[in-house]
Amino acid sequence: RKEVEQDPGPFNVPEGATVAFNCTYSNSASQSFFWYRQDCRKEPKLLMSVYSSGNEDGRFTAQLNRASQYISLLIRDSKLSDSATYLCVVISGGSYIPTFGRGTSLIVHP
Amino acid sequence: GAVVSQHPSWVICKSGTSVKIECRSLDFQATTMFWYRQFPKQSLMLMATSNEGSKATYEQGVEKDKFLINHASLTLSTLTVTSAHPEDSSFYICSARDLVASYNEQFFGPGTRLTVL
Repeated sequence: RKEVEQDPGPFNVPEGATVAFNCTYSNSASQSFFWYRQDCRKEPKLLMSVYSSGNEDGRFTAQLNRASQYISLLIRDSKLSDSATYLCVVISGGSYIPTFGRGTSLIVHP
Repeated sequence: GAVVSQHPSWVICKSGTSVKIECRSLDFQATTMFWYRQFPKQSLMLMATSNEGSKATYEQGVEKDKFLINHASLTLSTLTVTSAHPEDSSFYICSARDLVASYNEQFFGPGTRLTVL
């Protein structure tokens, strides 16, 4: 089983739709969780940190479920510009070495 | 957020030459930087962890003599691809963790696109 798993998609949704991604992790000692966004041929950019209490930033909501070992990302009112690959990143223990999921591709169409 | 730069952003070289890529944290200090490689339509692959003042830690299957890493200061790590071959053509990305950050966010450089002819 991979350490961090994501559905690669693509998720193909119309503008204005709400879409949710999940990411599961295998290491119960994982401490830090993030969602990154990567556009084609560009570097990943931090979208949101995922805290135990969950967090919201505008149209984006991230949640952590430690019991089931997954994190989620919810995007409301999708925009064309949201089209990208969304990477789940988990950091375990004291090594600070990030483990990446394969990414979930989102395509928002008119 | 914190800024990480990479230089060069792209390079084309002949087979057999060596290519040096720099990764700098511009507004924070980083004892640890990471080097990744990404092939088209594939996920990021961690190559090595670069530690300031000590030897890098390489992932399994990554040749340390081919991919030389030097982390001479708290703001600079370099990756040298020695005797590059066409199969080394890839997108190389570094990331850095802010020394004083409380939640271990990683900040990525813009990447270096290497093409070996």
